[in-house]
Amino acid sequence: EPEVTQTPSHQVTQMGQEVILRCVPISNHLYFYWYRQILGQKVEFLVSFYNNEISEKSEIFDDQFSVERPDGSNFTLKIRSTKLEDSAMYFCAILGDSLFLAGGSTDTQYFGPGTRLTVL
Amino acid sequence: AQTVTQSQPEMSVQEAETVTLSCTYDTSENNYYLFWYKQPPSRQMILVIRQEAYKQQNATENRFSVNFQKAAKSFSLKISDSQLGDTAMYFCASALQGGSEKLVFGKGTKLTVNP
Repeated sequence: EPEVTQTPSHQVTQMGQEVILRCVPISNHLYFYWYRQILGQKVEFLVSFYNNEISEKSEIFDDQFSVERPDGSNFTLKIRSTKLEDSAMYFCAILGDSLFLAGGSTDTQYFGPGTRLTVL
Repeated sequence: AQTVTQSQPEMSVQEAETVTLSCTYDTSENNYYLFWYKQPPSRQMILVIRQEAYKQQNATENRFSVNFQKAAKSFSLKISDSQLGDTAMYFCASALQGGSEKLVFGKGTKLTVNP
């Protein structure tokens, strides 16, 4: 199963501050995703990223959010000016790719351990 | 639009017994995938099992199996020989096409396995 790490594991920030959440897959993948889960609620899709472009985004993913792959390996989610309601677990996911050593099913998303974001 | 519904907010089962978690979904597409993910207290999302809609045979992974009823749009998860480590939130999810599309999740079922 493909491995994905996320940093930091927990981020505490003040309202209005910018945060950058990082996702590092162990091997190369083409599809990346960000999801969030507000405490006690269901997991919600934010954005998908394919071939270095956003392929789909939800209504949650407004102008305060952006994604990029700055160095071809890390995949980042930036929130420009955090709000209290941005407090949540943020999960990165990658689509398994059997072309690479990490394998996994090419039609299955594998999740990182998540970053817990707390906005005060 | 896709929707996924899990009607059981909480369930409990005795260790070594069998439990079934329910999930229904709605989609107008023919090509889609269905998944069950487990979220233990650590909050990591772990894949339990997946099912391709075009396959009639129900997926099985060790103690986990599904009952996929395509006409009824039902996708239940059966856990046999429940173990204490199965205690977790279980989320049902669907994705269109080859699974590369976004996952749409249900609200989850909190399963507690009692000793």
